[in-house]
Amino acid sequence: ETGVTQTPRHLVMGMTNKKSLKCEQHLGHNAMYWYKQSAKKPLELMFVYSLEERVENNSVPSRFSPECPNSSHLFLHLHTLQPEDSALYLCASSQGSGQYSGNTIYFGEGSWLTVV
Amino acid sequence: EDKVVQSPLSLVVHEGDTVTLNCSYEVTNFRSLLWYKQEKKAPTFLFMLTSSGIEKKSGRLSSILDKKELFSILNITATQTGDSAVYLCAVGSGGSNYKLTFGKGTLLTVNP
Repeated sequence: ETGVTQTPRHLVMGMTNKKSLKCEQHLGHNAMYWYKQSAKKPLELMFVYSLEERVENNSVPSRFSPECPNSSHLFLHLHTLQPEDSALYLCASSQGSGQYSGNTIYFGEGSWLTVV
Repeated sequence: EDKVVQSPLSLVVHEGDTVTLNCSYEVTNFRSLLWYKQEKKAPTFLFMLTSSGIEKKSGRLSSILDKKELFSILNITATQTGDSAVYLCAVGSGGSNYKLTFGKGTLLTVNP
């Protein structure tokens, strides 16, 4: 139990589907992140929310849409994905004062996404 | 562009061996260097380093940072099969636009 919970753990979706990944953190942190991990590539930072405001999105395609309704919950809405979007999507959180310090970033167990 | 390079990319050893994993970096406005262990699921945090020359230790694992030469090493002594994993190095950098840049990882395999 990492204090960061992701659902679903596995998701298979068609290219025309709309689905969402959910993340919840129980650590009292004020910054949350979405990362993508593909085979043979480093972890890629997709989105960061600090104090519920998005601060970085690293030019992620618009078919990925994040939502952070409060400091404990983070969603990643998925629509019209491509097969190359199949990957492990990791949610993480950290504690920062005002802005995310990133001193220690805690990960969830990930959501395995397969796009067919 | 910020870079984090880990070496070797993979390593196979026998139980009981000692291994040293390397991480070098080039970033703007360095804040911290972190080591993670990743097995089949999410990375688990090992160490955070912010100051040069101060060794952090946890059991058989230890790590040290050299901010002058821009690298860190992760040592594992008396390796066990349970140490088999990908070890990720990440560097936190930036001021108002903080980010965490990961290396590609070192795949360590410890054979009995």
